[in-house]
Amino acid sequence: EPEVTQTPSHQVTQMGQEVILRCVPISNHLYFYWYRQILGQKVEFLVSFYNNEISEKSEIFDDQFSVERPDGSNFTLKIRSTKLEDSAMYFCASSNRDFQETQYFGPGTRLLVL
Amino acid sequence: AQSVTQLDSQVPVFEEAPVELRCNYSSSVSVYLFWYVQYPNQGLQLLLKYLSGSTLVKGINGFEAEFNKSQTSFHLRKPSVHISDTAEYFCAVSGIQGAQKLVFGQGTRLTINP
Repeated sequence: EPEVTQTPSHQVTQMGQEVILRCVPISNHLYFYWYRQILGQKVEFLVSFYNNEISEKSEIFDDQFSVERPDGSNFTLKIRSTKLEDSAMYFCASSNRDFQETQYFGPGTRLLVL
Repeated sequence: AQSVTQLDSQVPVFEEAPVELRCNYSSSVSVYLFWYVQYPNQGLQLLLKYLSGSTLVKGINGFEAEFNKSQTSFHLRKPSVHISDTAEYFCAVSGIQGAQKLVFGQGTRLTINP
């Protein structure tokens, strides 16, 4: 069964460093999302992406964040200058044209900013 | 804006006992409703969803949920739980127009005791 994959599974970085989190959505999916979950808190929406454009973003998704679909398969989240409060589990999700409402999630990347 | 409240942060249950995980939502527009499950060290997996029609929805692993519009609830139930049901369960809502972000509840940790 096709699935969303994410790399790396864990990343440790120093405050102020740039990180890129990678996702490979399910191959025929058209809608892409990033969510995050700070330890002990809710899963929060960051951004949605369709047709090479951001569809919607939350107030969390400030100028330090960017997303890109550099080729036909990868979907990346970049944090330009990480802060301690960016430490969280980051989930990628995707959905297809026919069932846009059903999002399939990857296993997540646990980011720790020191 | 939408919000989701999961009334119980933790629910301990004995094996083979029934369980109900409660979810209430708030929205000024029509919504779709979802339950996701997160097993340890894994991503979010869709258990079931309510889009329209019958208010009783059946999902995977013997779970079902009932949509109650007047009480704005979408409680998840299973008549007899198994040790393998130990996981975190998330209720979520989205708008109904196309591909929209999910708004999650806080999660309920279900622990099954032998």
